[in-house]
Amino acid sequence: DQQVKQNSPSLSVQEGRISILNCDYTNSMFDYFLWYKKYPAEGPTFLISISSIKDKNEDGRFTVFLNKSAKHLSLHIVPSQPGDSAVYFCAATVASSSGSARQLTFGSGTQLTVLP
Amino acid sequence: DAEITQSPRHKITETGRQVTLACHQTWNHNNMFWYRQDLGHGLRLIHYSYGVQDTNKGEVSDGYSVSRSNTEDLPLTLESAASSQTSVYFCASRNSGDPTDTQYFGPGTRLTVL
Repeated sequence: DQQVKQNSPSLSVQEGRISILNCDYTNSMFDYFLWYKKYPAEGPTFLISISSIKDKNEDGRFTVFLNKSAKHLSLHIVPSQPGDSAVYFCAATVASSSGSARQLTFGSGTQLTVLP
Repeated sequence: DAEITQSPRHKITETGRQVTLACHQTWNHNNMFWYRQDLGHGLRLIHYSYGVQDTNKGEVSDGYSVSRSNTEDLPLTLESAASSQTSVYFCASRNSGDPTDTQYFGPGTRLTVL
């Protein structure tokens, strides 16, 4: 059973408009969330993250919102640019009870296409 | 510049053959990870290592093994390749002192098992 779900495999938006990518999770122990961006034939690259003690984190055109009660987070890109066209992965992590390094659980990804 | 590299970038092999995928990072990161990416599944963890001589199984470890003899390298071995192991494989590393859990990924290896 997937603990992190991205229910939209693809999303298309016009250049200059807002892109909203959604992610749902089931494990209430997750306490840190990350978004990664992936271009074809490249590895994923870190984009933005948010701790569970916050409900919003902003970095330039990218903002992540976290709704803990709904177990939902979203990534907003404003304004969207053609170079933003990529696959976006949502990931979550939970502190290990042993104190060892934390592992990431990834969603299945959303292909964003920004149309010129 | 420090980086993480994977080789080969593309590999075609036959069922039953042993295959080893290389991962090398120059950040001196303690934590290293191997994932596979399949359509509809995103990235799934195969094996990971917190340091030299340490290895651990991930979500989809059956049929795979890793070894960590130094900080820089975490090779992934498919003991007897199967068609179900056709996938894109990503290696990642993380600084154990980084509180943000950010992992840095290599460019990937596309493996086809015929």
